[in-house]
Amino acid sequence: AQKITQTQPGMFVQEKEAVTLDCTYDTSDPSYGLFWYKQPSSGEMIFLIYQGSYDQQNATEGRYSLNFQKARKSANLVISASQLGDSAMYFCAMRELNSGNTPLVFGKGTRLSVIA
Amino acid sequence: EPEVTQTPSHQVTQMGQEVILRCVPISNHLYFYWYRQILGQKVEFLVSFYNNEISEKSEIFDDQFSVERPDGSNFTLKIRSTKLEDSAMYFCASSEMSSGGAYEQYFGPGTRLTVT
Repeated sequence: AQKITQTQPGMFVQEKEAVTLDCTYDTSDPSYGLFWYKQPSSGEMIFLIYQGSYDQQNATEGRYSLNFQKARKSANLVISASQLGDSAMYFCAMRELNSGNTPLVFGKGTRLSVIA
Repeated sequence: EPEVTQTPSHQVTQMGQEVILRCVPISNHLYFYWYRQILGQKVEFLVSFYNNEISEKSEIFDDQFSVERPDGSNFTLKIRSTKLEDSAMYFCASSEMSSGGAYEQYFGPGTRLTVT
């Protein structure tokens, strides 16, 4: 069974600094995708970044990058140059890719607070 | 940019009443999902829907829940007899088949259901 573990319930970071949010996963399927979503206080789920299990390079999207270490089964999110607007809950999720519409499995999330 | 929409944004209902949560997925998407998030907890999968039928459901999705695609655009979640523990944020999501296999799921803004 798939499992996502986020061990940091809360994190603080100074504005303009970089921060790493941890995520480890477990799956027996060799083909899977890893996702990060941001949930601000307004409640919506905003897709940030995706990493496929066969991707050779770490994914990057603007200030977001994913530190993918396949052997360690980790997919940490790195946010560079933090901004006050980055304060939110961040969820790591995964899904197996062998069939078309397997559901996402989410971790418990990390609450990030950016301090001015 | 196309987006998933959900109505209402907030629904208050009395225990035992029926509620219908509505979603309009992105128009060219083929797969539809409902997730829920109890306050302060992680996002949990309820059900996925493809080709006018349920393709997968979780153990949360018991007989009091049903889903329907009544026309070409709407996707609904019905809770027949609401319980206090059904109070949660309900997210609709949709995805398309992509050659890359990412099957990124786009989430709607959510409906906050409060059962009193």
